[in-house]
Amino acid sequence: DTEVTQTPKHLVMGMTNKKSLKCEQHLGHNAMYWYKQKAKKPPELMFVYSYEKLSINESVPSRFSPECPNSSLLNLHLHALQPEDSALYLCASSQEFQDRNEQFFGPGTRLTVL
Amino acid sequence: AQKITQTQPGMFVQEKEAVTLDCTYDTSDPSYGLFWYKQPSSGEMIFLIYQGSYDQQNATEGRYSLNFQKARKSANLVISASQLGDSAMYFCAMREGYPGGYNKLIFGAGTRLAVHP
Repeated sequence: DTEVTQTPKHLVMGMTNKKSLKCEQHLGHNAMYWYKQKAKKPPELMFVYSYEKLSINESVPSRFSPECPNSSLLNLHLHALQPEDSALYLCASSQEFQDRNEQFFGPGTRLTVL
Repeated sequence: AQKITQTQPGMFVQEKEAVTLDCTYDTSDPSYGLFWYKQPSSGEMIFLIYQGSYDQQNATEGRYSLNFQKARKSANLVISASQLGDSAMYFCAMREGYPGGYNKLIFGAGTRLAVHP
């Protein structure tokens, strides 16, 4: 089984649409992350949830709204996006308070905003 | 200020040969961690190897090893016996601070590796 799953794999939406990206981790981790990655660039951190509470918001516009319903699930609600928001959105999880605590990533959602 | 530098935008290697991908970092924190990730064209980031700042030995994971030179602030990835499936983008990343708490990574710009048959 894939340890971090993301749905959908691809999403095309208009600027007036509302959509959600979903992430689920099967690793029992206590921290989850959203990243945005533009083509040929490294991932950029957007949000961090620690023990289901929002710990970091990297000054992300309010048209992106994260939600962590439980320790395994992470959602990203999208509303009134702009074409420049088109990117690969990656979810990751890690176990805090461990020596190594590497992040495990999902396969990503490729978002296109028309 | 850029904290992670990957100076090689692209690298080529023949199948079965070894290749070194360069990474230098900058931090004043005595406690930090260094990670390498592989990103194939499919998009998923795959964790390869980790080196802690206090680790005495260079990390190894199968065909991957990390050449950690603390004084020079470098953490180069060595891939031995390259395979066609190694063709991908490779990112070096650093976590500052005590290895607890949430894990804020700073990524380098990446190196695209192409393995030729």
